[in-house]
Amino acid sequence: AQKITQTQPGMFVQEKEAVTLDCTYDTSDPSYGLFWYKQPSSGEMIFLIYQGSYDQQNATEGRYSLNFQKARKSANLVISASQLGDSAMYFCAMRERSTGNQFYFGTGTSLTVIP
Amino acid sequence: EAGVTQFPSHSVIEKGQTVTLRCDPISGHDNLYWYRRVMGKEIKFLLHFVKESKQDESGMPNNRFLAERTGGTYSTLKVQPAELEDSGVYFCASSQAVGRVSYGYTFGSGTRLTVV
Repeated sequence: AQKITQTQPGMFVQEKEAVTLDCTYDTSDPSYGLFWYKQPSSGEMIFLIYQGSYDQQNATEGRYSLNFQKARKSANLVISASQLGDSAMYFCAMRERSTGNQFYFGTGTSLTVIP
Repeated sequence: EAGVTQFPSHSVIEKGQTVTLRCDPISGHDNLYWYRRVMGKEIKFLLHFVKESKQDESGMPNNRFLAERTGGTYSTLKVQPAELEDSGVYFCASSQAVGRVSYGYTFGSGTRLTVV
């Protein structure tokens, strides 16, 4: 079974608008971490934001915030005030304490920001 | 500090040939990981080195794939002989610490392998 599900292969957003990229996860481990990575056309994977399973508040990093709904097992990424440079692939990922250092990734969402 | 460096950035080879991918982790990072993304699918774990030892190679698809990390510095991933389904982007990542789920990696830019 897929541990990370990203159901949006492609998304479009108008510049300066906000956009939400969906991510649901599947784990029975009470201790886990959720990550979002950005992959621009240059190829490198850039870490954006992290949410721990025991964190009480949603994580925020500048224009990025993570809408963490633990009961629904969702960890959506919200990008506010989109910029042209936000156009990229976005990957949701998870690490579990029980499975050590391995990351589980989703299939990614391609975001295009329209001027 | 230099990031994780991967060579080559692109490789196109014929089915049956051999290809070797290289990864230079961040200096001082004992942990090195290989991942692969086949087009349209999720990025999947291949293996994890701690220094020169293979800590976890559960994601290696078959014995055509051989990973090494001599001396605990750079790592190579050899595919021999390459098959069409090996096409994809191979990512390397490194980290200094392990054990906590909050620890992330630093990824390289990947090697795009195309087998024709």
